[in-house]
Amino acid sequence: DVKVTQSSRYLVKRTGEKVFLECVQDMDHENMFWYRQDPGLGLRLIYFSYDVKMKEKGDIPEGYSVSREKKERFSLILESASTNQTSMYLCASSLFQGTGTGFLGEKLFFGSGTQLSVL
Amino acid sequence: SQQGEEDPQALSIQEGENATMNCSYKTSINNLQWYRQNSGRGLVHLILIRSNEREKHSGRLRVTLDTSKKSSSLLITASRAADTASYFCATEETSGSRLTFGEGTQLTVNP
Repeated sequence: DVKVTQSSRYLVKRTGEKVFLECVQDMDHENMFWYRQDPGLGLRLIYFSYDVKMKEKGDIPEGYSVSREKKERFSLILESASTNQTSMYLCASSLFQGTGTGFLGEKLFFGSGTQLSVL
Repeated sequence: SQQGEEDPQALSIQEGENATMNCSYKTSINNLQWYRQNSGRGLVHLILIRSNEREKHSGRLRVTLDTSKKSSSLLITASRAADTASYFCATEETSGSRLTFGEGTQLTVNP
């Protein structure tokens, strides 16, 4: 089975701190994603990556950056954490398939999530 | 913006009953997927139905898709307490944009 591992289950940080959320997948997937999940807002895509060193903005990239130096690892960076970034962060991966975006008919595999609290 | 909208937002039933959740979406899609999320955990893929399919089964799950009404339903038969979770639909639009998730239905199955 595909395993997507997020480095921390719970994280508490202070406003202004630089925060790194790490995600590793073990199935050689090309695509990796970072979502945040908030009550009443569902899952919102922050950034995604199709390949090493490639990144694309999602729907809510402001205040975040990402890094993908190796295929299996996708990091989410909060340059200066703010209280409105308190949220559940979910990493996911999927296989590239065929032409286009690679999303065609492909399912996502999610990590267990990191509950980040910014105080 | 959210593409899929689940209905109801919350559903509470007794063990053994069937649970039906609905999803409506706005634009043309290539496929629609359903995911499940246990409290405080990540999402798990349940089933994918393509735009040219009308119905799909997987164990106790039955998914229907009506592209003319832009809606889908997820039926869980003979529910169990372990089915208690949030259920999300996700759509892949024909425009090629990313998979878009709805806000989910919280299902509670009482023993």
